[in-house]
Amino acid sequence: DAKTTQPTSMDCAEGRAANLPCNHSTISGNEYVYWYRQIHSQGPQYIIHGLKNNETNEMASLIITEDRKSSTLILPHATLRDTAVYYCIVRVQSGGSNYKLTFGKGTLLTVNP
Amino acid sequence: GAVVSQHPSWVICKSGTSVKIECRSLDFQATTMFWYRQFPKQSLMLMATSNEGSKATYEQGVEKDKFLINHASLTLSTLTVTSAHPEDSSFYICSARGAANQPQHFGDGTRLSIL
Repeated sequence: DAKTTQPTSMDCAEGRAANLPCNHSTISGNEYVYWYRQIHSQGPQYIIHGLKNNETNEMASLIITEDRKSSTLILPHATLRDTAVYYCIVRVQSGGSNYKLTFGKGTLLTVNP
Repeated sequence: GAVVSQHPSWVICKSGTSVKIECRSLDFQATTMFWYRQFPKQSLMLMATSNEGSKATYEQGVEKDKFLINHASLTLSTLTVTSAHPEDSSFYICSARGAANQPQHFGDGTRLSIL
């Protein structure tokens, strides 16, 4: 299973872009990169995922390097409500078409006013 | 779309009782559901994976006789903590996904406190 490495914490000013890095140097060719976030005392919220192309949705953008060994989640205009723990997860296979998400410690993003 | 509802949000009960937590996918059919546990200041730990109509697959170290999982329909899974004790107090979170290439979506969790 590919492991991910994220900074323990980051700060960002409200209204600025938040760029959250993730290293996954042992990712294999068919593994996707998923991003979730968990606001205190809530369940994780799906943000975005990708394989090798950059992806964008209404919440964020995901930039994956060409060698796929790292990625960056970008929140273009961070708000106070974006304060959360952000998890970068590489999807693994577990039996047939099932898969499971293994959560690491994530990055605590604090958006400051 | 992709809403997962979990009930109850929190429960307090006496040691030795059994507690059932429900997880429902409201707007999609959940082929697979997952149950996680999270202790304070720690990350989520996967407890078990269940496919509709099949027995759950438990992670190493999780007692299947203590944490009973039922996934009888494509929209409902239940976790029953049997004979709960204070050490079972935790935040239990379910998630569900439809097709294999779709992301998992999570419920808001159940905070269980055993006195």
